[in-house]
Amino acid sequence: DAGVIQSPRHEVTEMGQEVTLRCKPISGHNSLFWYRQTMMRGLELLIYFNNNVPIDDSGMPEDRFSAKMPNASFSTLKIQPSEPRDSAVYFCASSFVEWSNQPQHFGDGTRLSIL
Amino acid sequence: GNSVTQMEGPVTLSEEAFLTINCTYTATGYPSLFWYVQYPGEGLQLLLKATKADDKGSNKGFEATYRKETTSFHLEKGSVQVSDSAVYFCALKIGNQFYFGTGTSLTVIP
Repeated sequence: DAGVIQSPRHEVTEMGQEVTLRCKPISGHNSLFWYRQTMMRGLELLIYFNNNVPIDDSGMPEDRFSAKMPNASFSTLKIQPSEPRDSAVYFCASSFVEWSNQPQHFGDGTRLSIL
Repeated sequence: GNSVTQMEGPVTLSEEAFLTINCTYTATGYPSLFWYVQYPGEGLQLLLKATKADDKGSNKGFEATYRKETTSFHLEKGSVQVSDSAVYFCALKIGNQFYFGTGTSLTVIP
């Protein structure tokens, strides 16, 4: 079975540019999570969707960040304009949260470098 | 509130040594508990899980027992290998929410 698929795997861009990260969750999962991982802050939850609806976006750093989930099989995380401090690895994860024993399944991440 | 506390790393062990990574939790109900492993350049992978008190999760020689009385879920392995070098995350799930520890880096030297 295909796992969570993220694209691109690596992104290098200049400060001020728009960045779009993409995620395809596991088929049948009803929840999707975006995380950011850095050495300084570790793993941070940015936003969480349930049935395509944003439930908790309290971790989104500021208005430059936005996330959408137009359907059950696709989500985007957008940064506009990007800044060097946004450099990190961004992970997407999916789950079927109504079952208590169901874990999150993570993608391989997008390594983002803002110059 | 709900939270997970892991032992601080980094941890460095010689090959074939015994491993324990401590994890304790605070939860407002009855959580499910998980250990994830992250190898360099990769995402987090589920290592094992336990969904109720006294359950033991196991995988690849790793074990952890859900201890409700001590609110703990310590990860153990009897004999580590160089290939076990990674970052290990303890996590809990309660309701629809997940909470992760800060991760413990393990390096195993030959």
